[in-house]
Amino acid sequence: KQEVTQIPAALSVPEGENLVLNCSFTDSAIYNLQWFRQDPGKGLTSLLLIQSSQREQTSGRLNASLDKSSGRSTLYIAASQPGDSATYLCAVPSYSGAGSYQLTFGKGTKLSVIP
Amino acid sequence: DGGITQSPKYLFRKEGQNVTLSCEQNLNHDAMYWYRQDPGQGLRLIYYSQIVNDFQKGDIAEGYSVSREKKESFPLTVTSAQKNPTAFYLCASIGGEQETQYFGPGTRLLVL
Repeated sequence: KQEVTQIPAALSVPEGENLVLNCSFTDSAIYNLQWFRQDPGKGLTSLLLIQSSQREQTSGRLNASLDKSSGRSTLYIAASQPGDSATYLCAVPSYSGAGSYQLTFGKGTKLSVIP
Repeated sequence: DGGITQSPKYLFRKEGQNVTLSCEQNLNHDAMYWYRQDPGQGLRLIYYSQIVNDFQKGDIAEGYSVSREKKESFPLTVTSAQKNPTAFYLCASIGGEQETQYFGPGTRLLVL
């Protein structure tokens, strides 16, 4: 069964720093990997989705990388801002019987950017 | 605007009562999902539906029930058999070429 781990569970950085969030998964036979952001008491917002054939995806100050062979993904945030404070989750899909599709989530990294 | 709506935002349940959480989407997605989120536990899958009139149990289905009579709607009922229902419930759908998952804003269920 796929397991997804995110380290660290929490991270606090001063404004302006570049930072890296880590995600690891046990089964490397994935189709894609998705990074989400969750603000307190809110739903999840998709940030980036990397297909298994890709190694990187970029959106603004965010850059996500994927190394399937080692079972790792990183989310790089450049020039962090207080508005980046949120919990960041990664998720990988798995297919089970009759073509059904599920996502397995990590527990997230809670990021605090200090002004 | 396309998206997923969940109602109510807060829901209070009395002991022994069944309550139903609403989830509606106008994204024309076939697949819909219900997750439960507890502090420090991450998201756990309750039920999912790949197509109308069909659904499957997730990892923690006991004490919950669902229906999928319309493509747009996937309501979740928390039954009296669910002894620890206090949590944040998230509805989601998957669609598009890249199979991106979209989430609703969530419903927080509290027990009186």
